[in-house]
Amino acid sequence: GQQVMQIPQYQHVQEGEDFTTYCNSSTTLSNIQWYKQRPGGHPVFLIQLVKSGEVKKQKRLTFQFGEAKKNSSLHITATQTTDVGTYFCAGPVSGGYNKLIFGAGTRLAVHP
Amino acid sequence: DAGITQSPRHKVTETGTPVTLRCHQTENHRYMYWYRQDPGHGLRLIHYSYGVKDTDKGEVSDGYSVSRSKTEDFLLTLESATSSQTSVYFCAISGFVIILREKGSYEQYFGPGTRLTVT
Repeated sequence: GQQVMQIPQYQHVQEGEDFTTYCNSSTTLSNIQWYKQRPGGHPVFLIQLVKSGEVKKQKRLTFQFGEAKKNSSLHITATQTTDVGTYFCAGPVSGGYNKLIFGAGTRLAVHP
Repeated sequence: DAGITQSPRHKVTETGTPVTLRCHQTENHRYMYWYRQDPGHGLRLIHYSYGVKDTDKGEVSDGYSVSRSKTEDFLLTLESATSSQTSVYFCAISGFVIILREKGSYEQYFGPGTRLTVT
């Protein structure tokens, strides 16, 4: 069946270091979304990418969609303690554009 | 945050008892979803609704049923709770996509979650 995989599962960094999480899909995706969940909170939508090779930036966060539209990455430059949380990627379920399949997430810990 | 509430926020119940979780939205969004979140599994779709009285199964629907009699309410029922259904349950809603030229998906807005423990 369709799968969305994320690596790493967990990463801890020192404040100020960079962080990257990778998302890989078993199928070609028409788009990919990223969500952030703070500890004890609920997932919050960050961004959606739809074009092959697309790169979008939100302050220190850089999102990239692969040329083949089967992978994506989120890079955080100079992490801060406010970046702590779990980052999820999600792609549309094949045949259902209004349903998403989520990766298992990457949990980021930032040590001051 | 989108106007989504979930009730109860916490519940402890015994194996074999029925449980109903409620999701209420004030955004008039068409689509509503129930997910469960477990360590190492991310968010897994249980059921979703694409309109009043229109529902469909997700990837982990066994043991769960849903109903949507009004646009704003989406109920998730565990007919006979089991310990494997101990989890955090999130409701989500989605509406209209903003993508102009290429096909996007509806972004989803999540409720605060319900922590369910089945003993």
